[in-house]
Amino acid sequence: GESVGLHLPTLSVQEGDNSIINCAYSNSASDYFIWYKQESGKGPQFIIDIRSNMDKRQGQRVTVLLNKTVKHLSLQIAATQPGDSAVYFCADTQGGSEKLVFGKGTKLTVNP
Amino acid sequence: EAQVTQNPRYLITVTGKKLTVTCSQNMNHEYMSWYRQDPGLGLRQIYYSMNVEVTDKGDVPEGYKVSRKEKRNFPLILESPSPNQTSLYFCASSLSADRGIIGELFFGEGSRLTVL
Repeated sequence: GESVGLHLPTLSVQEGDNSIINCAYSNSASDYFIWYKQESGKGPQFIIDIRSNMDKRQGQRVTVLLNKTVKHLSLQIAATQPGDSAVYFCADTQGGSEKLVFGKGTKLTVNP
Repeated sequence: EAQVTQNPRYLITVTGKKLTVTCSQNMNHEYMSWYRQDPGLGLRQIYYSMNVEVTDKGDVPEGYKVSRKEKRNFPLILESPSPNQTSLYFCASSLSADRGIIGELFFGEGSRLTVL
């Protein structure tokens, strides 16, 4: 079936390095994507979103890239800090539906 | 402070004993939703509501009920809980679902439920 998924369940980086978290989606009608961050013991928090009419969107230290040709989404975190350690989820509204479908998440660990 | 509040945060109960998890948001959001989070399965949507008196099934609605009598509240009801409903539950809200596209979802802190 159609799904939103992540390439790797875990990612470990050194403090100060850039992090790249990937997400693949299969629904060609998907037109809105969101990245969430979930810290231990907390609910997910919105990081950044992107619509399908864009290829790139930047926030504070974060950039989301969308490649519709290969149905791939990535989240780049610049100068990763220990506070960035969390599980990151991509989510998709599956072609404009009222439901938000989440991937299974990637756990980012930042080593000092 | 803008927030989504869930109660209880932790609950241990027994099979068959009806329970309700409350959810309240103070942001005047139209859209509200319930998710469950299980290891290896990520976040799965249980029910959602586009506005007052409008509710719809998500991907895993079996064994759950919801109601939306007021804009701010969206309780999750387990009429007869079973052990497979042991999970971490999140309520979320969003300002609107404009043309079917949900904006930023604000999540509560979660309710950890154990059914023995």
